Amino acid sequence: DSGVTQTPKHLITATGQRVTLRCSPRSGDLSVYWYQQSLDQGLQFLIQYYNGEERAKGNILERFSAQQFPDLHSELNLSSLELGDSALYFCASSKRPANTEAFFGQGTRLTVV
Amino acid sequence: AQKITQTQPGMFVQEKEAVTLDCTYDTSDPSYGLFWYKQPSSGEMIFLIYQGSYDQQNATEGRYSLNFQKARKSANLVISASQLGDSAMYFCAMREIREGAQKLVFGQGTRLTINP
Repeated sequence: DSGVTQTPKHLITATGQRVTLRCSPRSGDLSVYWYQQSLDQGLQFLIQYYNGEERAKGNILERFSAQQFPDLHSELNLSSLELGDSALYFCASSKRPANTEAFFGQGTRLTVV
Repeated sequence: AQKITQTQPGMFVQEKEAVTLDCTYDTSDPSYGLFWYKQPSSGEMIFLIYQGSYDQQNATEGRYSLNFQKARKSANLVISASQLGDSAMYFCAMREIREGAQKLVFGQGTRLTINP
């Protein structure tokens, strides 16, 4: 158990809908990262937050947004969902923005039908 | 931009044999870090081992060791005495740091199958 908690584990929704994925980092970790794993794109970095502030942005679509709350949990919001958004979404956390360790949660498997 | 290449899409190994998973990287940054992760069929990403570019010794964690050859830009993962439970996807990743923020750039992965 990495200590990073993601909910839900599985999510099935229809095209055009909006969903929210939740991540609780390991105790003491201030930095949260979101990654998307799809069959065609592999593992791709989406966005990073540190202590509530956005620190880095990757290949995140405009339909996607994220935030980190004062209690350090983070949410990834995906809207106007398309079939191609079906993927495994991972959250990872580390103590500092640039760290030698990054522990991943179990992921949320999103299926858009 | 940083790039990670894993040239072995799949590997088949007999139980108890040692296995080497290849990883080469490309970066112009003098300071970088290399990670290996294991992803079993259940989907979670399990952190295995880390090597910093300035580390003098190759990293080891139990049965895992990293064969770091800086001049060749390679960071191969060695698993000694393989077990059936080692069957999984393995990803090599490089840490990219820009303005104090970190992201991991992943390779395409190698699917390792351990045969009894």
